[in-house]
Amino acid sequence: DQQVKQNSPSLSVQEGRISILNCDYTNSMFDYFLWYKKYPAEGPTFLISISSIKDKNEDGRFTVFLNKSAKHLSLHIVPSQPGDSAVYFCAASAREADGLTFGKGTHLIIQP
Amino acid sequence: NAGVMQNPRHLVRRRGQEARLRCSPMKGHSHVYWYRQLPEEGLKFMVYLQKENIIDESGMPKERFSAEFPKEGPSILRIQQVVRGDSAAYFCASSRTGADQPQHFGDGTRLSIL
Repeated sequence: DQQVKQNSPSLSVQEGRISILNCDYTNSMFDYFLWYKKYPAEGPTFLISISSIKDKNEDGRFTVFLNKSAKHLSLHIVPSQPGDSAVYFCAASAREADGLTFGKGTHLIIQP
Repeated sequence: NAGVMQNPRHLVRRRGQEARLRCSPMKGHSHVYWYRQLPEEGLKFMVYLQKENIIDESGMPKERFSAEFPKEGPSILRIQQVVRGDSAAYFCASSRTGADQPQHFGDGTRLSIL
């Protein structure tokens, strides 16, 4: 049973445009959400997080939106750059120190 | 991913041998987590440790797998009597104590079972 779902295995976006990556979850106990970026043969790199008391968090080009009633979060990257091409993982936990439950990832491809 | 150090990067074992994977957390981090990633899958949580204590091992297989984080030295994930299905990338992460302290990952150990 997949508790964190990323339904788009891949996404292609033109350089300079907005990339929107989506994530749905089923476990209503999840309270802490994170996005990671991963290049081949490397470990995931932390991008941005959000706790359930907020509905938006921004860090530079990255913004995460959380809709608790819909159990949905999204990551916006504006503007998209070639170096953003990677696999993006959504992750969640019930408490911040818990082990994370990951989605299967979305491969983002930024077209020049 | 500088900071969390995992070694070896690649490990080849024959069926029935033991595999030992090491993880040194980032400086100042007292929480260590191990995850496993199969091809085309997301990372699956295995175990969460603090110094000398296992906090949550709900993701660990019941047999052949064990983990420790001793008072001195790295955390070790040990797999005894390996089988082909243990072939995967094993990632370690660490974090600080406190609110909004995300986990930071190492570059993983790729385990191949012949």
